[in-house]
Amino acid sequence: DIQMTQSPSSLSASVGDRVTITCRASQNINTYLNWYQQKSGKAPKLLIYAASSLQSGVPSRFSGRGSGTDFTLTISSLQPEDFATYYCQQSHNTVYSFGQGTKLEIK
Amino acid sequence: EEDLVESGGGLVQPGGSLRLSCAASGFTFSSNYMSWVRQAPGKGLEWVSVIYGGGTTFYADSVRRRFTISRDNSKKMVFLQMNSLRVADTAVYYCARETALAGATFFDLWGRGTLVTVSS
Repeated sequence: DIQMTQSPSSLSASVGDRVTITCRASQNINTYLNWYQQKSGKAPKLLIYAASSLQSGVPSRFSGRGSGTDFTLTISSLQPEDFATYYCQQSHNTVYSFGQGTKLEIK
Repeated sequence: EEDLVESGGGLVQPGGSLRLSCAASGFTFSSNYMSWVRQAPGKGLEWVSVIYGGGTTFYADSVRRRFTISRDNSKKMVFLQMNSLRVADTAVYYCARETALAGATFFDLWGRGTLVTVSS
């Protein structure tokens, strides 16, 4: 099975900051990598699919990059509503897997 | 409007069984892959199982041979039969639609989840 490792596990930042979250796959997954945002008590929400494609309706301050085993999610200027937990997920093979999550907190 | 609504969660003893349901609306159900994803209290997301439109299924190692996913395309429903439940299966279970686009697949529609608690 493919293991997904995110870093950091938690991150403190201020409104207006630029932040980057990293996701590493245990083997080559090409660009079969998705990013989700989850707020407390809510279902996850798709942000980025295929490593760099922005889901419809998601603000352009969110961006994704990477291929192979190393990927990043960047928020260019943090807004109050962005404080949440972020997960990467690989869809390279049919046994899908998520990263352990990165909790983004207000500094 | 596109929507997924889960039901069937509750309290069950270890070793017991439970059947979850997910009702879909607002989209062409039969052509989509459908998955169950769970989240233990205070923990991250764990993919559980997927079923393709034609009925092909896959499972996470943690639930294989205990859980069975199925679907009824005529009723726009997907099910998760959970047997031999363990305390570690305690989680919120989400139903999620998987969409394919230009070779990529992703979960673009999620239900609100149903809580399964396994405890004596």
